[in-house]
Formats: sequence, structure tokens, C-alpha cells
Amino acid sequence: DTEVTQTPKHLVMGMTNKKSLKCEQHMGHRAMYWYKQKAKKPPELMFVYSYEKLSINESVPSRFSPECPNSSLLNLHLHALQPEDSALYLCASSRQADSYEQYFGPGTRLTVT
Amino acid sequence: AQSVTQPDIHITVSEGASLELRCNYSYGATPYLFWYVQSPGQGLQLLLKYFSGDTLVQGIKGFEAEFKRSQSSFNLRKPSVHWSDAAEYFCAVGLSMEYGNKLVFGAGTILRVKS
Repeated sequence: DTEVTQTPKHLVMGMTNKKSLKCEQHMGHRAMYWYKQKAKKPPELMFVYSYEKLSINESVPSRFSPECPNSSLLNLHLHALQPEDSALYLCASSRQADSYEQYFGPGTRLTVT
Repeated sequence: AQSVTQPDIHITVSEGASLELRCNYSYGATPYLFWYVQSPGQGLQLLLKYFSGDTLVQGIKGFEAEFKRSQSSFNLRKPSVHWSDAAEYFCAVGLSMEYGNKLVFGAGTILRVKS
């Protein structure tokens, strides 16, 4: 199983809402990632978890709050987002943080109204 | 600074024609290099990777890439393009621990296939 799953596929939320994105992998990978991708742009790294600990935060605003409850799950909690946060949010995993070979999920298309 | 350049924003090729997508990188150490493909609204799929050894690497879907250290390039090729290859292609370099163990992506090249 080389699949990374993400739910929901699409999400529309108001600026005052609280929502969460979920990512799951069952490949035994110990590193998991959140990326943000705007249209016609490459993915931008947001967070890296290694062995369930946050190892990289790319100066992401606090309205994005990641969580790694166990080695298979990664969540991204969203609160008080802005319209400019609308994007495709991609989750990825790799065997370890220095493995580089990352497997991506299909993404969650987020629209903030 | 570490960077990846894909000089072509768009490329259009006829179905059945050959394809070459260019990628140049700027990185002091031995690079780990990747090509990913992304269909509209989808996640990224790994096409192939280069870590060391043979500089010509084979990937999925009939793609190959050649690492040329002297030119700091890792160009992607396919001998005969199919309509289903239309997508966006990203070259990426893996940075070592001193640079944060990250993947840095190029800006992407959109491939259009005409019949």
C-alpha cells in the first residue's frame, strides 16, 4: 500500500469557522508533511513531522495548527483563515525525514469565503 | 542559494512526438533529484529519482531522466508522448540536513499534448 489519503476532498469555510484537514498513511513512514499549493505554483512546505514530533515550521501563521496524533495520522487544524489561504493543501509522507522520496496525497481543495 | 529552475513554463508537443523537459539546479553538495507529475487538482506522483550511480534513470510511464553534473541538469525525456501525459511536471532537489532536509521544487512545466 503506497497510498496517502486525505479528507475532505473539498472544503469551503468562512473566516470565523474552525475546521480540520486529515491525512493518513499506512506505509510505516515516520515523516509526514503539509504543503500549500496555490494555482500554477509549486508546493510550498508548511510543516514537517518526524517521529510524531514537529521538526520544521516554515514560519506558518498560527491560524494553521498541525497535529500528529500517531505515526499514521496527520491533522491540520484551521481557524480564522483569510481568503488568501484558499489553496490546495497537500499531505506527504516519507520513510524518514532525510529520505526525500515523498509520497503525496490527492490534496484538499480549500476555499475560504 | 539552493534553487531549481525549469526554464519552460509551457510546452506543447504532438501526440507520438518525443519530449524533453529541462531542469537545472543550484546546490553545492551531491544532489538528490526528482521528477514529479501532477494532473489538474490532484496530488503529485513520483516519476523517477536520482540519488547516485548510473546517470540515466528510468521511471514510471516510460519516462527517463539524465543527470549531468557538469551542466547541473536533470532533464526529463520520453520518446513518444501520449495524450494522457498532459499534466504539470515538477523537478525537485532534496536538500541535506544542514538545509533542513527539504524538497525544493521548480516552478513547474505545463505539458500540453495536441492530437
